[in-house]
Amino acid sequence: EVQLVETGGGLVQPGRSLKLSCVASGFTFNNYWMSWTRQAPGKGLEWVASITNSGGSTYYPDSVKGRFTISRDNAQNTLYLQMNSLRSEDTATYYCTRDRGFAYWGQGTLVTVSS
Amino acid sequence: DIQMTQSPSFLSASVGDRVTINCKASQNINKYLNWYQQKLGEAPKLLIYNTNNLQTGIPSRFSGSGSGTDYTLTISSLQPEDVATYFCLQHSSRYTFGAGTKLELK
Repeated sequence: EVQLVETGGGLVQPGRSLKLSCVASGFTFNNYWMSWTRQAPGKGLEWVASITNSGGSTYYPDSVKGRFTISRDNAQNTLYLQMNSLRSEDTATYYCTRDRGFAYWGQGTLVTVSS
Repeated sequence: DIQMTQSPSFLSASVGDRVTINCKASQNINKYLNWYQQKLGEAPKLLIYNTNNLQTGIPSRFSGSGSGTDYTLTISSLQPEDVATYFCLQHSSRYTFGAGTKLELK
């Protein structure tokens, strides 16, 4: 069974940093692209970052480019999202998703950016 | 960037009704269109991938169709457990979600 478990969310002040993790199990991690997607409270979904299966290439929308960094450790079956210079508009539940079609999702971790 | 326009935003229907939800892309997305169901407090769940392929374990009352810029999710006979918000996702060029359709029982 595919499982994705996100951790690392919490309350953080504007301008500070936070690193999210997603531990994967139930599939061969290094065979799949992985991504992060977020959902602000009561709002829709927004793609945040993607990484190829080898980790050699990464992709971001303009809204987070230069502030967020996606990475992965294939030996540990773990996906990361380093978030710097956080803003109030980054407040959301962050989901880890598997493959290029987002077939599987974790349960999410809530990030609240507030002073 | 590709924009996705989803309609309607809100839908009220009765058990047994046929329900359709639409997504229109700002350019041809070559059938790279997925549909998701999200129940309150849960993560999204994939229903349909690449326009018309039913994800494993999803009831056959869900179906998808479309091509080019226009895509449709159909629920052939609405069930109480289908109350949820539905999102489309284009994955032809990067990723863009539709704004969602909240489906409620009448």
